Amino acid sequence: DGGITQSPKYLFRKEGQNVTLSCEQNLNHDAMYWYRQDPGQGLRLIYYSQIVNDFQKGDIAEGYSVSREKKESFPLTVTSAQKNPTAFYLCASMGQSSEDYEQYFGPGTRLTVT
Amino acid sequence: AQTVTQSQPEMSVQEAETVTLSCTYDTSENNYYLFWYKQPPSRQMILVIRQEAYKQQNATENRFSVNFQKAAKSFSLKISDSQLGDTAMYFCALRDFNAGNMLTFGGGTRLMVKP
Repeated sequence: DGGITQSPKYLFRKEGQNVTLSCEQNLNHDAMYWYRQDPGQGLRLIYYSQIVNDFQKGDIAEGYSVSREKKESFPLTVTSAQKNPTAFYLCASMGQSSEDYEQYFGPGTRLTVT
Repeated sequence: AQTVTQSQPEMSVQEAETVTLSCTYDTSENNYYLFWYKQPPSRQMILVIRQEAYKQQNATENRFSVNFQKAAKSFSLKISDSQLGDTAMYFCALRDFNAGNMLTFGGGTRLMVKP
């Protein structure tokens, strides 16, 4: 089955610790995205990558970092510099051909920092 | 900068009736896509329908249809014959071709379908 996996589904961390969220896709998509969702709100873009070894900041990149060493993987690190890290995090991917129009989303990771 | 606004935080509809969700947007681009996504309690994002800005004809997918008014920058979603399974958050989104195909989302509308 092709798709996007995010692990774990729920993640708990103590304040001051860095934490890395996993995102893997086997759709052979070039582009990958990380979004943050707060309760009752829409999604906001954190980072995106259109090709391996390259990525761009989104609207709310402060306190986050990413890497794109492999086409299939786009991990997100929530650093201790992120002031309010508790949120729901969604990863997405998309093909880059002219026929590709849809971003496919993973199931998400709920991060709670106390 | 692009913006997407959904002015109805919550709506409810009786099963089998029709409901319309509103969305307005702002962009300086002439070529773009608009989407409606559904997020049920499982929180999985599901694409409901899409509209290409260059197409004048409104998109339709079974019970879901849109009213796309390009000049007014309006993009509403009509759900006909509402079903209990339609209960979810609905998000309007705009795709920017120039910025890595990123999506800009509205704040969402929580739809409750009542039996």
